[in-house]
Amino acid sequence: AQKITQTQPGMFVQEKEAVTLDCTYDTSENNYYLFWYKQPPSRQMILVIRQEAYKQQNATENRFSVNFQKAAKSFSLKISDSQLGDTAMYFCAFAYRDMRFGAGTRLTVKP
Amino acid sequence: GAVVSQHPSRVICKSGTSVKIECRSLDFQATTMFWYRQFPKKSLMLMATSNEGSKATYEQGVEKDKFLINHASLTLSTLTVTSAHPEDSSFYICSASKPSGRPPYNEQFFGPGTRLTVL
Repeated sequence: AQKITQTQPGMFVQEKEAVTLDCTYDTSENNYYLFWYKQPPSRQMILVIRQEAYKQQNATENRFSVNFQKAAKSFSLKISDSQLGDTAMYFCAFAYRDMRFGAGTRLTVKP
Repeated sequence: GAVVSQHPSRVICKSGTSVKIECRSLDFQATTMFWYRQFPKKSLMLMATSNEGSKATYEQGVEKDKFLINHASLTLSTLTVTSAHPEDSSFYICSASKPSGRPPYNEQFFGPGTRLTVL
């Protein structure tokens, strides 16, 4: 099974600042998908952003953008203009036939 | 949209009893459903993959006799925790998928989860 690594257990960011969450993965597949999910205290999984591996262009969704480096197998998430509501667990995920998750990063946005 | 529901949202049971958790895709037919387990402050761990009308595929280390999965229709999958013990207490999340994107990937939609507490 693919291995997904998130090395930042916890991150803090000041409101309105930017923060980057890191993720690396290991795979021999070619046409896969990568995701960042947000899990607030309610524990509902919320899709933040999706990247198709066959697309070179980095995905963006409003304040959220990714830096996808396919050769390096890295997939980081940048949150710009952080808001208090961004406080949550963030999981990097890899999908081919099924979906696997990294260990997660707990992001806290400070006022 | 693509909505997935789970029932119940919370359940408390006595040790030794069995508990059934339902996962439904409300507005689409799911080609495949997945069951995950999440311990407090931990990540989601894939337990099994189920396809309608066929036996579920379990991940290594997941006891198939302990966690019975039935996928009776394209909109319903059930997870039954048999002879539950306190160590089975966890948050169980299902997801349902439908074709979208490049195969073999199918887009997944997550249910809200079920918190199981075994006393």
